[in-house]
Amino acid sequence: DTEVTQTPKHLVMGMTNKKSLKCEQHMGHRAMYWYKQKAKKPPELMFVYSYEKLSINESVPSRFSPECPNSSLLNLHLHALQPEDSALYLCASSQAARHQETQYFGPGTRLLVL
Amino acid sequence: AQKITQTQPGMFVQEKEAVTLDCTYDTSDPSYGLFWYKQPSSGEMIFLIYQGSYDQQNATEGRYSLNFQKARKSANLVISASQLGDSAMYFCAMREGRDGGFKTIFGAGTRLFVKA
Repeated sequence: DTEVTQTPKHLVMGMTNKKSLKCEQHMGHRAMYWYKQKAKKPPELMFVYSYEKLSINESVPSRFSPECPNSSLLNLHLHALQPEDSALYLCASSQAARHQETQYFGPGTRLLVL
Repeated sequence: AQKITQTQPGMFVQEKEAVTLDCTYDTSDPSYGLFWYKQPSSGEMIFLIYQGSYDQQNATEGRYSLNFQKARKSANLVISASQLGDSAMYFCAMREGRDGGFKTIFGAGTRLFVKA
């Protein structure tokens, strides 16, 4: 069983809605990540938090807003999304943001924007 | 620029047989990590195996082994004794050391079908 949990598992929202995706890890990791994965494509990195500070923002539109309240929690706030934002959103964590550290992923949130 | 290439969009294997999934990478950084993940239809990315660029021996984890050929920049995944539950998408991934190791770049993936 994964030690990275994500809620909700599925989300349907309109383009005017505001919603949040939540991620929690129970492994004491200090780096957390958000990925976006479109169907039949590999995951694409969106944000990286290292020691609760945003380290990488891969030019993601401002309608996506990450938040890291503490070292075990990571949120992704969604506002005014577009239909093309429909995707699987994966959260991951690793001991640290180093090249030899394994990232462990949560089960993902399937988002549909209508 | 770093790059991960998986040239097999789909592979078929008979149950109980071994299968090799190909992965080549491109980097000029001497420090990097290579990873394989399995993604079933449920969507979760499951970590399978890790190989560090300085590791002298090929990594093994149960039925999974990584055929690491550093000079050829290849990191093929070998699954022995395939099971029906191995049917999934498999991603090869790399993290470089020089950018702080923040980024993981994934290959396009290989979909494996295990036949009964």
